[in-house]
Amino acid sequence: AQSVTQPDIHITVSEGASLELRCNYSYGATPYLFWYVQSPGQGLQLLLKYFSGDTLVQGIKGFEAEFKRSQSSYTRRKPTVHWSDAAEYFCAVGAGGTSYGKLTFGQGTILTVHP
Amino acid sequence: SAVISQKPSRDICQRGTSLTIQCQVDSQVTMMFWYRQQPGQSLTLIATANQGSEATYESGFVIDKFPISRPNLTFSTLTVSNMSPEDSSIYLCSVVRINTDTQYFGPGTRLTVL
Repeated sequence: AQSVTQPDIHITVSEGASLELRCNYSYGATPYLFWYVQSPGQGLQLLLKYFSGDTLVQGIKGFEAEFKRSQSSYTRRKPTVHWSDAAEYFCAVGAGGTSYGKLTFGQGTILTVHP
Repeated sequence: SAVISQKPSRDICQRGTSLTIQCQVDSQVTMMFWYRQQPGQSLTLIATANQGSEATYESGFVIDKFPISRPNLTFSTLTVSNMSPEDSSIYLCSVVRINTDTQYFGPGTRLTVL
């Protein structure tokens, strides 16, 4: 069965610092990979998606993600964090074809940003 | 982006009652899903809402507890039946738009069962 693990439940950074969010997964086939953000009172917003090709993916809001197949990991980075980045971030994996849209989510990482 | 609305946005219900949640999308979508986010936990897929036919449920979820309808390409309902406090969660509608590979999530319905 597939599973997704986000090792860091809570991360605190200072504004202007860099950020790295980790995600590890266990999946039977090569999965589709996603990062979502959930701000208080807001719905989930897609930040990044990876299907195939280049393992370094550029997303919105200055985020990028690196997919490492050999390590079953999908790490998301941002070089400079802004206070508005404080939110909860979810990694998710899924498949294509008739299973597209059926995502398995990680537990989430809550990001706190100090001024 | 697809605009998804859910009604109600939140509700407080008594044990043993049922609540129907509506999901309306502003454009035609290929796939519609219902997810649950229990307090302090991640999202779990409940079922795929199929247009004009019975929903496809994930392991651990059954039609008697979570009946789902999808009469057309832009609308679906999820009913949480015979509720107990363990059903207190945020329920989210999710869609994949026609001719795209982007998946969107609705704002969620926050349900509290007393």
